[in-house]
Amino acid sequence: QQPVQSPQAVILREGEDAVINCSSSKALYSVHWYRQKHGEAPIFLMILLKGGEQKGHDKISASFNEKKQQSSLYLTASQLSYSGTYFCGTAGGTSYGKLTFGQGTILTVHP
Amino acid sequence: KAGVTQTPRYLIKTRGQQVTLSCSPISGHRSVSWYQQTPGQGLQFLFEYFSETQRNKGNFPGRFSGRQFSNSRSEMNVSTLELGDSALYLCASLGQVNNEQFFGPGTRLTVL
Repeated sequence: QQPVQSPQAVILREGEDAVINCSSSKALYSVHWYRQKHGEAPIFLMILLKGGEQKGHDKISASFNEKKQQSSLYLTASQLSYSGTYFCGTAGGTSYGKLTFGQGTILTVHP
Repeated sequence: KAGVTQTPRYLIKTRGQQVTLSCSPISGHRSVSWYQQTPGQGLQFLFEYFSETQRNKGNFPGRFSGRQFSNSRSEMNVSTLELGDSALYLCASLGQVNNEQFFGPGTRLTVL
């Protein structure tokens, strides 16, 4: 089952914040976040394992609520370089080489 | 370390033909995964190889196959191409520190 991401798209001005959500109907063991810029390969942002751990990467952080089977990606004080499509991926158990990705959220940051 | 490389970068084929795509993972990485990316279906998992064995398989028809060599390089083959096979095919090797996937630049396949 493919995780569901929301919103599908978001437009921001530099310095604004955004939240991208990822929900699954199946129990989650881990959530993986990637960003893909147009014409480029997806780049790994972070992985969250079950336990509700929140992780951070510069001004990008994420949380994982295994009871609700959802994860959220928080982008604070957005920069132009944050523009791209964000994907969440879920793995069955520890099979991290097999990710089921959501449809993606297109983030556009304007000056 | 050199990143994941994929060849060729672009391919144009006609319906009914077959195609072979190649992927070289980051040195030391033993797991290679393949994904198909299309505007309509997004990123879909094809299969994963580890130590020359298929470890996971996605929901694609048998026309899609792959293999991995002893040096961890991987190939995927698509036989009897259909128009719907037009896509960006990405391969990724699995890192051992953070369990992150390192994606290659992809092969853009166009089926006419």
